[in-house]
Amino acid sequence: EDKVVQSPLSLVVHEGDTVTLNCSYEVTNFRSLLWYKQEKKAPTFLFMLTSSGIEKKSGRLSSILDKKELFSILNITATQTGDSAVYLCAVPRVQGAQKLVFGQGTRLTINP
Amino acid sequence: DGGITQSPKYLFRKEGQNVTLSCEQNLNHDAMYWYRQDPGQGLRLIYYSQIVNDFQKGDIAEGYSVSREKKESFPLTVTSAQKNPTAFYLCASRGTGSETQYFGPGTRLLVL
Repeated sequence: EDKVVQSPLSLVVHEGDTVTLNCSYEVTNFRSLLWYKQEKKAPTFLFMLTSSGIEKKSGRLSSILDKKELFSILNITATQTGDSAVYLCAVPRVQGAQKLVFGQGTRLTINP
Repeated sequence: DGGITQSPKYLFRKEGQNVTLSCEQNLNHDAMYWYRQDPGQGLRLIYYSQIVNDFQKGDIAEGYSVSREKKESFPLTVTSAQKNPTAFYLCASRGTGSETQYFGPGTRLLVL
């Protein structure tokens, strides 16, 4: 059965700290892994990592994919209160239609 | 403005009542999805549609029904058979050839 596991489930840090969120996966015929940020409503897309693109960076956020060890990390440096959100990791299932398997999410709280 | 809209924002259901959640997109995406999110959990797939007039069950389809009569619209009906409908419902769409799903703002369903 396809599975995505995120850790930690919850994390509280102070503004300015650096955080690392983890996502491990077990899926048949892996193709890609997606990270989303969910504040109060709709998850918004952050990154997609594939076999040909195992590292992505956007401002203070970066993500890497380790295909051998089957995990990805999302790194946020110099955190701000606006980074407070639930971060979701998802992997598409192979058997058609790009059905996403989601992890439980990591709830990140940045205190001023 | 291009995007995905969902309505209503909040919906209250009485026991034994069917309710319908709306999802509309103007992104010209072929594929559309419905997910359910419970507190502290990731998203779980209810139904998906890859093309007009076609849809498939996801992992937790029991107690739900959908239709896809138009490309832009993918309404979800929560029937009285769904015994635990209280949750946050998210609709998503995806363009052909893309692996990224984009989400609407969600509908929160509560049972009276």
